[in-house]
Amino acid sequence: GAVVSQHPSRVICKSGTSVKIECRSLDFQATTMFWYRQFPKQSLMLMATSNEGSKATYEQGVEKDKFLINHASLTLSTLTVTSAHPEDSSFYICSAGQVLGGETQYFGPGTRLLVL
Amino acid sequence: DAKTTQPTSMDCAEGRAANLPCNHSTISGNEYVYWYRQIHSQGPQYIIHGLKNNETNEMASLIITEDRKSSTLILPHATLRDTAVYYCIVRDQTSGSRLTFGEGTQLTVNP
Repeated sequence: GAVVSQHPSRVICKSGTSVKIECRSLDFQATTMFWYRQFPKQSLMLMATSNEGSKATYEQGVEKDKFLINHASLTLSTLTVTSAHPEDSSFYICSAGQVLGGETQYFGPGTRLLVL
Repeated sequence: DAKTTQPTSMDCAEGRAANLPCNHSTISGNEYVYWYRQIHSQGPQYIIHGLKNNETNEMASLIITEDRKSSTLILPHATLRDTAVYYCIVRDQTSGSRLTFGEGTQLTVNP
């Protein structure tokens, strides 16, 4: 299957700082990437849809000014958590779609964010 | 997108087949059935998907009933590394690649 990477895999930061997470599709181009968040013992929740060359689409309840998404190329999307607070600590996961009889989504390994 | 119903948890003996059921009684004609799994602290891994025909790949088999209201994911020879949460998702083509995750089934493979 297609490979999606994320960087960093783990980050610890102080409250009030900003953190950038990168999501790359390594062997295919993706016009659309997705960002999910997962809290402990819960399922994945879609945060936003990242569209190459245009503004991201955010899910209800997700603050677009807090979670900045940039999709500048067909292989890279970034999520920046601005002014992070302890409640933003979570597992952030991206996915990218490859057209394969219904556009299968492939997921990155995730980024564990801990805000102190 | 149609909702799915899966058992919360299942156990399976190592080396035996694991059969994971999923109900999707409100599935519409253009919705695919997708299966993913998530091993602890990792991103979800794609397993298999299908529309109406049964499918098989190197990881698993997917059996979809004729009325498409339910499906079964089969891991033919479960190993300890197959212990994970398995998600059954149906996806409407008109909503693009959007995946909506439910709670999934925690499969535990026992030695």
